[in-house]
Amino acid sequence: QVQLQESGPGLVKPSQTVSLTCTVSGGSINSGGYYWSWIRQHPGKALEWIGYIYYTASTYYNPSLEGRVTISVDTSKNQFSLKLTSVTAADTAVYYCARDGGGGAEYFQQWGQGTLVSVSS
Amino acid sequence: EIVLTQSPGTLSLSPGERATLSCRASQSVSSSHLAWYQQKPGQAPSLLIYGASSRATDIPDRFSGSGFGTDFTLTISRLEPEDFAVYYCQQYGTSPLTFGGGTQVEIK
Repeated sequence: QVQLQESGPGLVKPSQTVSLTCTVSGGSINSGGYYWSWIRQHPGKALEWIGYIYYTASTYYNPSLEGRVTISVDTSKNQFSLKLTSVTAADTAVYYCARDGGGGAEYFQQWGQGTLVSVSS
Repeated sequence: EIVLTQSPGTLSLSPGERATLSCRASQSVSSSHLAWYQQKPGQAPSLLIYGASSRATDIPDRFSGSGFGTDFTLTISRLEPEDFAVYYCQQYGTSPLTFGGGTQVEIK
């Protein structure tokens, strides 16, 4: 069974860029068939889909964050990454990486455990 | 974007009781592309239902999903102690993918 693990800094200053990485094990991003997403959950509990990437590096972002978000993939390391620029306190959240159901079914079948990113000076 | 509204916000029930959770969409969810997740404290959400009514792998049959168009329901036929958690719906018929605000099922 595929497993996902997020990594990145827990604390970021306002206006800076946060970079997170998701390492995939038990399956290859390069095998295709799945979209790999970033999702965040604010302290008030709402979940927000940030965007996804395919192994070909094709991406789709939530328009609410487009312009600040970049998702990239490194198939040689079986990882995909998130960069979010110009962060504010509103970007404080638990960030999850996830894999969809396959075959274009964009529900989230596998999730990482999540990593908390706090934005504070 | 499609806004999903879940109700009630909190459901207070006893073990063994039936739980009925609602998810209403601001516009029709195409092809019943609606999923339900369970989240326990300190854990990531986990998939329960996809395609509005198909149970994910290893999900017990006390969980069932129904509905189409704009109105969807998650039913837990008899609550077990491990079912007390927060439940979210998510639509994947139209981008951007969106989630509901959640329903907390708590022990009465």
